[in-house]
Amino acid sequence: GAVVSQHPSWVICKSGTSVKIECRSLDFQATTMFWYRQFPKQSLMLMATSNEGSKATYEQGVEKDKFLINHASLTLSTLTVTSAHPEDSSFYICSARPFSQGYDGYTFGSGTRLTVV
Amino acid sequence: AQTVTQSQPEMSVQEAETVTLSCTYDTSESDYYLFWYKQPPSRQMILVIRQEAYKQQNATENRFSVNFQKAAKSFSLKISDSQLGDAAMYFCAYAALYSNTGKLIFGQGTTLQVKP
Repeated sequence: GAVVSQHPSWVICKSGTSVKIECRSLDFQATTMFWYRQFPKQSLMLMATSNEGSKATYEQGVEKDKFLINHASLTLSTLTVTSAHPEDSSFYICSARPFSQGYDGYTFGSGTRLTVV
Repeated sequence: AQTVTQSQPEMSVQEAETVTLSCTYDTSESDYYLFWYKQPPSRQMILVIRQEAYKQQNATENRFSVNFQKAAKSFSLKISDSQLGDAAMYFCAYAALYSNTGKLIFGQGTTLQVKP
């Protein structure tokens, strides 16, 4: 089946630095990818929709300049948390929607636990 | 705007028994998909079951089945013969069929505890 690889699984960074998280579709092309943020024991909150070759669509309240999303190819989307602060510490999950698989094709990465110290 | 509501933050069930998780949603669309996802402690999201709104027949997947009531906008998940491995957080989710983005909208989640 469709597999999405997300790296790194966990990362610790110092306050003020930037962190990049990668989301790759391994065996399919993903025209659309989604980035979620999840706090402990809470639901997934959609941050942005990433479309290959175009600008990401951010959800209301999500800072575009802090959470930079790039979807430069049909198999790779990246989320960069810029000038990270402790309040950015969270679990980030990506999801891909394969080009030809309709709604059967929502596949999730394994997530990235970000800790900002 | 579409919303998904799960009113049971926590549920528990005895091993081998049956449990039902509730989900309601709100939408003005007529064509959409509904999902139940499982998130175990590993936090990997796993698709449990999917229902197309245009299908009247309730979806089933082995021990998992849904009760889809379109008019009432209700989509409950029944887990039969519960197993210890079913312990997880369960999310109900909605996706519009003809949405440009196809984004999933999640409910708040229900934590299921399975007692041996």
